[in-house]
Amino acid sequence: GENVEQHPSTLSVQEGDSAVIKCTYSDSASNYFPWYKQELGKRPQLIIDIRSNVGEKKDQRIAVTLNKTAKHFSLHITETQPEDSAVYFCAASSSEGAQKLVFGQGTRLTINP
Amino acid sequence: DTAVSQTPKYLVTQMGNDKSIKCEQNLGHDTMYWYKQDSKKFLKIMFSYNNKELIINETVPNRFSPKSPDKAHLNLHINSLELGDSAVYFCASSQYVDTQYFGPGTRLTVL
Repeated sequence: GENVEQHPSTLSVQEGDSAVIKCTYSDSASNYFPWYKQELGKRPQLIIDIRSNVGEKKDQRIAVTLNKTAKHFSLHITETQPEDSAVYFCAASSSEGAQKLVFGQGTRLTINP
Repeated sequence: DTAVSQTPKYLVTQMGNDKSIKCEQNLGHDTMYWYKQDSKKFLKIMFSYNNKELIINETVPNRFSPKSPDKAHLNLHINSLELGDSAVYFCASSQYVDTQYFGPGTRLTVL
């Protein structure tokens, strides 16, 4: 079945710098790749997603890139701000059996003022 | 007008007790999920229902029994609670394999 690996597990950057989180997946048939942000004590919320027919998608300071050949996708956050501090999860759709999302292990991002 | 709601938000109970968590969504989605998030923040799917039918059961102990009375509701009953069941349980809903909307979570503490 689908397996998603996410790196790094923790990331600390200076305010204003960029942050990059990377994920790899195993199922070449996966076609949907969302990213979720979870603030402390809150629910995971979708921040951006990408489908397999697109290589890159951008929404203001966040962007996601997808390399289907290498089976990896990345989240890029530019001009980081303190409110970007959270745990970020990548996920990939599984094509095996009932459809579901398989989540990465999460990255705890800390923005230092 | 909350999209996905869960009750209760906190649940503190003794080992061996039985407890239930309720979830409701008003998004008109056909698919609902239960996830367990442990202390390391890992999000693991437990169950999924599509239009009241169980479609995913991820090797969860038999002490956990989901029930979906209609496609807008998905409840989780846990028998004989154990220390290892302590976690945050999230309900979610989606239409097909698409954006999943999560509930606020239920923090279960087993003493």
